[in-house]
Amino acid sequence: GAVVSQHPSRVICKSGTSVKIECRSLDFQATTMFWYRQFPKQSLMLMATSNEGSKATYEQGVEKDKFLINHASLTLSTLTVTSAHPEDSSFYICSARGGANTGELFFGEGSRLTVL
Amino acid sequence: AQTVTQSQPEMSVQEAETVTLSCTYDTSESDYYLFWYKQPPSRQMILVIRQEAYKQQNATENRFSVNFQKAAKSFSLKISDSQLGDAAMYFCAYRSANFNKFYFGSGTKLNVKP
Repeated sequence: GAVVSQHPSRVICKSGTSVKIECRSLDFQATTMFWYRQFPKQSLMLMATSNEGSKATYEQGVEKDKFLINHASLTLSTLTVTSAHPEDSSFYICSARGGANTGELFFGEGSRLTVL
Repeated sequence: AQTVTQSQPEMSVQEAETVTLSCTYDTSESDYYLFWYKQPPSRQMILVIRQEAYKQQNATENRFSVNFQKAAKSFSLKISDSQLGDAAMYFCAYRSANFNKFYFGSGTKLNVKP
């Protein structure tokens, strides 16, 4: 199956700083990537849909100025958590559609963000 | 919006036995995809099995099979000959054929007892 790589897997930062998480499709081109947030023992919450070459589409209630998404190429999308606060601590997962007819999502390894 | 419901927060099964995880969904669409994803302790989501709504035949992948009941909007996952490595969170997911969004259920934690 298609491979999606996410980096870093773990990051700890101080409150008020910004953190960037990268999501790469390694063996396929992804015009669309998705960013999810997962709280402990909960399901995945879609934050935004990242579209190559255009602005991301954010879900209701997600602050686009806090969670900046850039999809500059067909293989890379980035999520920047700006001015992070402890409540932003979470597990962030990116994913991308793979293949023309499969329809499934391929997921990155996830990034654990801890804001002190 | 479509909703996906997993009514079993946690299940347990003895190694080598069979377990069924339940999933129901709500939609007014006729064409869509359904998936089961596994999230082990490593946290990376892995596709277990998928089903296209237009296909009447239930999907099967080795020890994993589904019981897809379109009229009842039910999509259960059966794991046969359970193995210790099957222990994980299992998420049921729905995707419209026309739209990109995936909707996930709340997950079922599967414990496998040796």
